[in-house]
Amino acid sequence: QKEVEQDPGPLSVPEGAIVSLNCTYSNSAFQYFMWYRQYSRKGPELLMYTYSSGNKEDGRFTAQVDKSSKYISLFIRDSQPSDSATYLCAMRRGDYKLSFGAGTTVTVRA
Amino acid sequence: SAVISQKPSRDICQRGTSLTIQCQVDSQVTMMFWYRQQPGQSLTLIATANQGSEATYESGFVIDKFPISRPNLTFSTLTVSNMSPEDSSIYLCSVRDAQVEAFFGQGTRLTVV
Repeated sequence: QKEVEQDPGPLSVPEGAIVSLNCTYSNSAFQYFMWYRQYSRKGPELLMYTYSSGNKEDGRFTAQVDKSSKYISLFIRDSQPSDSATYLCAMRRGDYKLSFGAGTTVTVRA
Repeated sequence: SAVISQKPSRDICQRGTSLTIQCQVDSQVTMMFWYRQQPGQSLTLIATANQGSEATYESGFVIDKFPISRPNLTFSTLTVSNMSPEDSSIYLCSVRDAQVEAFFGQGTRLTVV
């Protein structure tokens, strides 16, 4: 079993829709949770970073962490064509090593 | 945030040859890492590049295949040695410092023919 499982997608949504991305994990030692966005032929870009269970908002993006269920989500409101990318969840314990999901490719149709 | 420059951005190489990838950061950083990203798979940590000492490799990766140098706090290289088509992948440099989470370079897209 992989430490981090991410909904594989791909997702295709119309402009303005809400995008929901999800990851589950098996290691209860994970403390820090991140979402990265990766455009085609680019490196991953840190989008959101959370530590505790609950919600964190940044503009149109909301990261949600449920440690009791070992489940994290990223919601994108009012999605735009510029949001079309691959989204990677990542998490780590107290050390530096990140464990990544395989990524979900999102296409927002104009 | 740190700005990471990675060279080359892409290359096509013959099997049996070696390729050295460079990673330059615009500021001194404590930790530098090398990742591999294969199609449809998670990013996989190859090794941590340690300044002034041998790199720390993850399970499944060895120094003979992926020698790494880190002569100072802003620069590192990864060499992919004796390449085979299975080494075709994207290789990414990443840095982390203090409480800042990992930042990535744009990656090197390697195709081995």
